[in-house]
Formats: sequence, C-alpha cells, structure tokens
Amino acid sequence: GENVEQHPSTLSVQEGDSAVIKCTYSDSASNYFPWYKQELGKRPQLIIDIRSNVGEKKDQRIAVTLNKTAKHFSLHITETQPEDSAVYFCAASTSGTYKYIFGTGTRLKVLA
Amino acid sequence: DTEVTQTPKHLVMGMTNKKSLKCEQHMGHRAMYWYKQKAKKPPELMFVYSYEKLSINESVPSRFSPECPNSSLLNLHLHALQPEDSALYLCASSQDRGSGGYEQYFGPGTRLTVT
Repeated sequence: GENVEQHPSTLSVQEGDSAVIKCTYSDSASNYFPWYKQELGKRPQLIIDIRSNVGEKKDQRIAVTLNKTAKHFSLHITETQPEDSAVYFCAASTSGTYKYIFGTGTRLKVLA
Repeated sequence: DTEVTQTPKHLVMGMTNKKSLKCEQHMGHRAMYWYKQKAKKPPELMFVYSYEKLSINESVPSRFSPECPNSSLLNLHLHALQPEDSALYLCASSQDRGSGGYEQYFGPGTRLTVT
C-alpha cells in the first residue's frame, strides 16, 4: 500500500541554524504534499504545501522542495528559533482520493 | 475563518458508557474527516465524509459510529470502548478533492480516556 517514510525521527539544532526534514513517498500518483507542525497537546497545523507541478515553494523561513522522479520532498527551515520546536509531519495525497498518508513525524528541538 | 471546532476538549468514559464527539466547521468545506492520534504517532484516518455521505471507513470497529447531520457538522458516537481506544481524536475538513489537493484543517481534538 501507499507509504511515506520520514527522516530523521529526531533533530536537534542550535538556534539560528537550518533544519532539513526529508520524506519519501511510494505512490507515483501522489500529487499534493502538505507539511504539518504539531506542538505538544495541540492540533496539527498546516505550515506549507506543494503540488506536483511545482518544484519548490517558499514562505519566509520555510521552504519545501519536491523531486518527483525520486519521489521525495523536503522541508527546510532557516534561521531556526526556539518556537520552531515541535513535531513535524509530512503527508502525501492523490487527486480523487481523500487519503492523506502521513510520515512518522520528526521531533525538532531548537536549542537556545 | 479557517477554524474547525471540537467538543468536548477532554472526555473520560467507562467501557459501558455511550458518548459523542462533535465537530463543526463553517468554511464551506464538503469533506470532513475523523482521525485518531496516539502519543508520538501520526494521525490515523478513521472516516471520511464527502457531501454528507460516508466515503471512507478504514475498517474501524463498530463501537465507533460516525454521523454527518449536515455539511457543517460531524459527530462520532462512542459505545463500549476499550482502554486502548484512549487517544486524541481529531476532526478535519477540506474542500472536496476535485482535481487537486486541498488544504486540510484540523480541529483542536478531543482527548479521550477510557477507564
């Protein structure tokens, strides 16, 4: 079945450094790739997404890149801040379905 | 307004109780979802409603019974739950899928404890 692998499972960075989280999907029909940030005890919050007709998207300190050939996509956070500390989930979805296949999550810790 | 609301925030119930979780959105979204999330795990899809019709049931045990009374409301009726059903239950909504991916917005969740 469809699968999304996410690495690393935990990531610690110094404040101001960059963080990169990578996901690989199995279903070549997947065409929508959102990223969610979930703080402890709170809801997953959509922070950025990318569709398969685009290779890169940026929103201030956050960017996502997509390599359709290799079937992987990555989240890049620059100039990390302590408030970026959270669990980040990637997901993949396909037109015509309602299924969002989630990665296993990355716990990001930004050390002050 | 990009808000999905859920009630109650917390629920403790015994294994013989019957309770309901409620979800509401006023974004005009026609797809609504129930997810179950265990600690340190990703959300796990349970049910999807599209245009108030059940589209997906991910082989969820019958002790969980979803209901979509109208396009803004989604309920999850609970009966004879087991302790392992304790989890965070998240509701989400999105526009209907159409030909492209649509942003999915999550509610704050109901923290359910089954004793």
